Amino acid sequence: KNEVEQSPQNLTAQEGEFITINCSYSVGISALHWLQQHPGGGIVSLFMLSSGKKKHGRLIATINIQEKHSSLHITASHPRDSAVYICAAQNYGGSQGNLIFGKGTKLSVKP
Amino acid sequence: KAGVTQTPRYLIKTRGQQVTLSCSPISGHRSVSWYQQTPGQGLQFLFEYFSETQRNKGNFPGRFSGRQFSNSRSEMNVSTLELGDSALYLCASSILRRSFTDTQYFGPGTRLTVL
Repeated sequence: KNEVEQSPQNLTAQEGEFITINCSYSVGISALHWLQQHPGGGIVSLFMLSSGKKKHGRLIATINIQEKHSSLHITASHPRDSAVYICAAQNYGGSQGNLIFGKGTKLSVKP
Repeated sequence: KAGVTQTPRYLIKTRGQQVTLSCSPISGHRSVSWYQQTPGQGLQFLFEYFSETQRNKGNFPGRFSGRQFSNSRSEMNVSTLELGDSALYLCASSILRRSFTDTQYFGPGTRLTVL
């Protein structure tokens, strides 16, 4: 079993829909990262959180430490949100070397 | 401020050859991490450098090595290339003001194809 599981693997939505991507992890963490990867490979770090909730524009990330679960929400989705979203759990012990990645969720938003 | 740059962007090599990839972090960033991304395994951590010292290494064979220079630029080297080394190699930099949980900024990646 992977230490970081994401669901769904693939997601197709209509423009304007509310989207939720889930991430469950089985390790103790110091932080949970959400990354966005567009076709072509470039990765952007969206959120880094260790508790509660963070919001940036139409994106919201939440984490429940007790349940070892995090969600990424996109409100009023737009075709430009089409990308692969990757969550990564950062183990205790420091350094970026302890990042364990999920397999990613491929989101396609249709106009 | 310029972002993370990686050179070359694309590379084609044959089995048995060696390759060196370069990463220039954002100015002022002292930590550089390297990752390999393949369709089958996804993103996997290779190594992390801070102030010219390797802080952490992922579960890769010794054919994969790296170093960091005094200006924080980093190189990674893969010797005796295998077909399975075909991947997107990404580097990321961070300021590392604290010991962990710093935001990483990723470069565009180098796509390596081994024939």
